[in-house]
Amino acid sequence: SYELTQPPSVSVSPGQTARITCSGDALPKKYAYWFQQKSGQAPVLVIYEDSKRPSGIPERFSGSSSGTMATLTISGAQVEDEADYYCFSADSSGNPVFGGGTKLTVL
Amino acid sequence: QVQLVESGGGLVKPGGSLRLSCAASGFTFSDYYMNWIRQAPGKGLEWVSYISRSSSYTNYADSVKGRFTISRDNAKNSLYLQINSLRAEDTAVYYCARGGVDTSMVLDYWGQGTQVTVSS
Repeated sequence: SYELTQPPSVSVSPGQTARITCSGDALPKKYAYWFQQKSGQAPVLVIYEDSKRPSGIPERFSGSSSGTMATLTISGAQVEDEADYYCFSADSSGNPVFGGGTKLTVL
Repeated sequence: QVQLVESGGGLVKPGGSLRLSCAASGFTFSDYYMNWIRQAPGKGLEWVSYISRSSSYTNYADSVKGRFTISRDNAKNSLYLQINSLRAEDTAVYYCARGGVDTSMVLDYWGQGTQVTVSS
C-alpha cells in the first residue's frame, strides 16, 4: 500500500527554521496538505494544495513540493509551534493517506 | 462559524457495532465532501472514509472496507459512520472533517472527536 514518509522527529531552537519533509511516489501529481496537532487537540490545517495557507495561519508557515518530496517550513519557529505535524495526500488512484507524523520540538 | 460535533462513541465488545454521527453547522453542508479520520491511542492519523456531496461517491481505507459504511443526510446536516464487526484495533478517536467542494482532500475543519473503545 502507498506510504508517505516523514521523519519521526525534528528539533530546533526558538527563532530557527524548521523543515519537515514528506516523501511519496505520487507527490509529483498529487497535492500535499499539512496538519498541526497539539497534545489533546484536533488537527488544524496549516497548508493546503502544496503551498497555500488558510486564513488565520501565521505567515511563518509555508509549504513547497518538488518531485517526490513535499516540505513544510516554519520560519522563525516559536515555542507554541511545538506539535505533531502530518502530511496528507493521495496515491495514484486517489485514495487518501496520511504520513506517519513528525514531532516538532522547539527548545 | 463552522462547527462539527461528533457523537455516538463508546465502549463496545469485539464483534459489536456502533453508529457515529457528526452534526454540522455554520456552512452549507450539502456543498461539501465529508470525511472520517481516526487516531488510535498514541498513534498517528488514519484516513477512514469520505463521501461526496450527494452521496454518489464513497471511498474507504482497506482496513475498514466491508465493515464500515459512511452516509449523510443533507436535510439534517449530518454525517454518519456505521461501524460493524468491531475489532480491538478499531479503538481510536474518530473525527469528522469537512472536505472541499470538488475534492475530499481539504480537511479544513475538524470536530473534537468521539472515542470508540473495543474491549471485552
